[in-house]
Amino acid sequence: GESVGLHLPTLSVQEGDNSIINCAYSNSASDYFIWYKQESGKGPQFIIDIRSNMDKRQGQRVTVLLNKTVKHLSLQIAATQPGDSAVYFCAENLEAGGGADGLTFGKGTHLIIQP
Amino acid sequence: NAGVMQNPRHLVRRRGQEARLRCSPMKGHSHVYWYRQLPEEGLKFMVYLQKENIIDESGMPKERFSAEFPKEGPSILRIQQVVRGDSAAYFCASSPRTGGNQPQHFGDGTRLSIL
Repeated sequence: GESVGLHLPTLSVQEGDNSIINCAYSNSASDYFIWYKQESGKGPQFIIDIRSNMDKRQGQRVTVLLNKTVKHLSLQIAATQPGDSAVYFCAENLEAGGGADGLTFGKGTHLIIQP
Repeated sequence: NAGVMQNPRHLVRRRGQEARLRCSPMKGHSHVYWYRQLPEEGLKFMVYLQKENIIDESGMPKERFSAEFPKEGPSILRIQQVVRGDSAAYFCASSPRTGGNQPQHFGDGTRLSIL
């Protein structure tokens, strides 16, 4: 089955509020995680990544949290804007440094921004 | 600085025909990955290539599908004798080197429709 999954298929938030998108993974060997944003008709766009030796990483308006104990990943978007509307995917790399480097993607969460 | 370029953006084929999808990686990237995405789903890894070498094709169907990344020119994903189930969006990604330390950057995909 899927080693990476998301709790909610759709998340609706008010413009200006913070958004939290969750992701669970089952493979404890995964050591690299990425969040992608995909707009309609386009390819996934890199947002932020985190390695397993970290539990938090911040970017511009985004924060990724990694809880290895419960194998949970979250993406926090501050002050959500209409341009944040998209499907968000978490992805994991199963073998860093060699071997298979294909990413395993979750099914995605559709973030909807309410005016 | 051009991103990952895929063409064509849309491809229509009749059952039994061949489909060729092309991908030019970002400048300076020597690693190419192909993924398939069905509607409302996440991306599924198919194959990982470096110049003139297939590194991992564990996600690619054993029959009718092949991929190459020649010394010169783009990477090609080839689907022979297409069937309706091959209808999907096919995305290519590239990275500068292997390992879990570099995010993969995606093109905008080729949407393949089988009549």
